[in-house]
Amino acid sequence: DAKTTQPTSMDCAEGRAANLPCNHSTISGNEYVYWYRQIHSQGPQYIIHGLKNNETNEMASLIITEDRKSSTLILPHATLRDTAVYYCIVRVPNTGNQFYFGTGTSLTVIP
Amino acid sequence: DVKVTQSSRYLVKRTGEKVFLECVQDMDHENMFWYRQDPGLGLRLIYFSYDVKMKEKGDIPEGYSVSREKKERFSLILESASTNQTSMYLCASSTGTGWYEQYFGPGTRLTVT
Repeated sequence: DAKTTQPTSMDCAEGRAANLPCNHSTISGNEYVYWYRQIHSQGPQYIIHGLKNNETNEMASLIITEDRKSSTLILPHATLRDTAVYYCIVRVPNTGNQFYFGTGTSLTVIP
Repeated sequence: DVKVTQSSRYLVKRTGEKVFLECVQDMDHENMFWYRQDPGLGLRLIYFSYDVKMKEKGDIPEGYSVSREKKERFSLILESASTNQTSMYLCASSTGTGWYEQYFGPGTRLTVT
């Protein structure tokens, strides 16, 4: 089973970079890693995804290790509005479009 | 902006009742999904649909059924609600090719007493 493991919670000072790690050691070679976040009382929101190269968009950067067993989501300048649960997600093998969401990392940005 | 709406934010039903949760998306998306979210368990997929009248079971389909008669609408049905179905229910939609970028509704918190 391709699953992910993440720290349960993290704190980050406002304005600093938030680095959220994820372990996905059983991911297969052609499977992407996806990141979502869920702000309190809202539905999850897509952030970014990657295969093996580092990716960046307007929300975050994604660094994937060369062996693809882990990745780190980076929010370069965290704001209070980035306080949320962050999910590192892989697709469940042989299921087409089914994600394994896991329980995520609760990030608190501190003023 | 993609908008996914769910019929209710909060719902209270009695054990044994038939419950309908409605989800509507306005972006002509092919895929629609129903999840439930429980503390300590994260989000789990109940059913998804990749086209009108098509459905696929997710991780936890037992006790649920779905209906997709129109492209924009995906309904989750609890035939006979039970207390262990008390949960937050989230609907999502995505395009056929960009299935990984799912747009979620605000959720329905269902309590079965």
